[in-house]
This record gives sequence, C-alpha cells and structure tokens, in this order.
Amino acid sequence: QVQLVESGGGVVQPGRSLRLSCAASGFTFSTYAMHWVRQAPGKGLEWVGVISIDGSNKYYTDSVTGRFTISRDNSKNTLFLQMNSLRAEDTAVYYCATEVGRQLGHDYWGQGTLVTVSS
Amino acid sequence: DIQMTQSPSSLSASVGDRVTITCRASQSIGTYLNWYQQKPGKAPKLLIYAASRLQSGVPSRFSGSGSETDFTLTISSLQPEDFATYFCQQSYRTPRTFGQGTKVEIK
Repeated sequence: QVQLVESGGGVVQPGRSLRLSCAASGFTFSTYAMHWVRQAPGKGLEWVGVISIDGSNKYYTDSVTGRFTISRDNSKNTLFLQMNSLRAEDTAVYYCATEVGRQLGHDYWGQGTLVTVSS
Repeated sequence: DIQMTQSPSSLSASVGDRVTITCRASQSIGTYLNWYQQKPGKAPKLLIYAASRLQSGVPSRFSGSGSETDFTLTISSLQPEDFATYFCQQSYRTPRTFGQGTKVEIK
C-alpha cells in the first residue's frame, strides 16, 4: 500500500538549518509531483511548495522562498525539504503529499514531522 | 495569491443532520477545488477533487458542487466519524492556498 514517511523534524534554534525527508513506497514515485504542506500548532494548513516529477520545476510560497529548497531523488523514492534560516514562525508539523495531476488533489499524505524553532 | 474563504469557521450539528460548508475563491478557479477532512493529530484526507469528484473510498454522503468562485461541501447525513475539520484548497495555480478550515462539532 502507499506509504509516505517523513523524518528529520526536531527542535532547532532560530537561524539554523534542518533537512526533512519523505520516504515513499507503494506507488511509482517518479510519476507524482510532490508537495510539502505545513500546519502550525492549532492552526490551518499552509502550502509550502511543490516539485515536478523530474525535479526540474519548483514553486514555493512567498514566506519560504529563498530559505527553503525542495528536491527529490527518484532513484531512492525520496523527497527532501532543506530549510535554512529558520524562524519561530516556521514551527509546524510538515507533511509531504502526492499529486498525480493538478485537478486530482493530494491523494496521499505522510503522517507529518514536527519542526520546532526555538532558542 | 488566490484567497480561499470558508464559512462558517465552525458549526455544531447532530448525528443525522445535513451539513453544508461553503468555500469562496477570490478569483475564478474553474473546478480546481479540493476538499479535505482532518481529524486531530492526523494527516488530512482527500474527500473531493475537481469540485465534485468523490475520492475513491469516501462515503457517498459526502458531495461537492460549484465552479468558478463558489463551492460547497455537503454531508447529507452526519455520522459520528464525520466530526472533524474540513479544508478547501485551490489547485488552479501556485501558491496552492487553503481555506482557513471549518470545524464540525457535536451538538
């Protein structure tokens, strides 16, 4: 069955970096665009960014542009989110999610990994 | 950015009630509208895509309608497992904005 497993979350000081991973299994990873979505404690969902199936196109929400980078390794079925210059407002549960087509929604989600930015 | 506005932000309902949640886009998005259900401590779950298409495995009491700027999620007969928070999301263009959520609580 389809599985997405995020890892790499934790507590980090403001200004530092963290790299999240999302290990995919049970589907053909290289045929799905992949997204990161985050949710601050007690808040709603915020879309972070997307990477195309071959990694050639990436888009980000304004608040993370220039600080976060999405990448993928299709040979290892893994998605990454490199987060630099972290701020307190980046504290959230980070989810990876699939999208096989723009009108088809995020059909699979990981369980999420919590990132806490605090001194 | 396209702003998505859901209403109400919360509602109280009883088992068996018909529940309607609306989502309005700040500009026309065609039918690039998805609905998700989220329970506490869990990842969101896709219910409806393309405004009205029921995701596989989702009960038929859930339905979606609308186009362009105005959309509706309807639960025809609320069940105990439906108490959750519901989010709409536009997939017309990036950033893929979400509505602020509608919490459905037990009356």
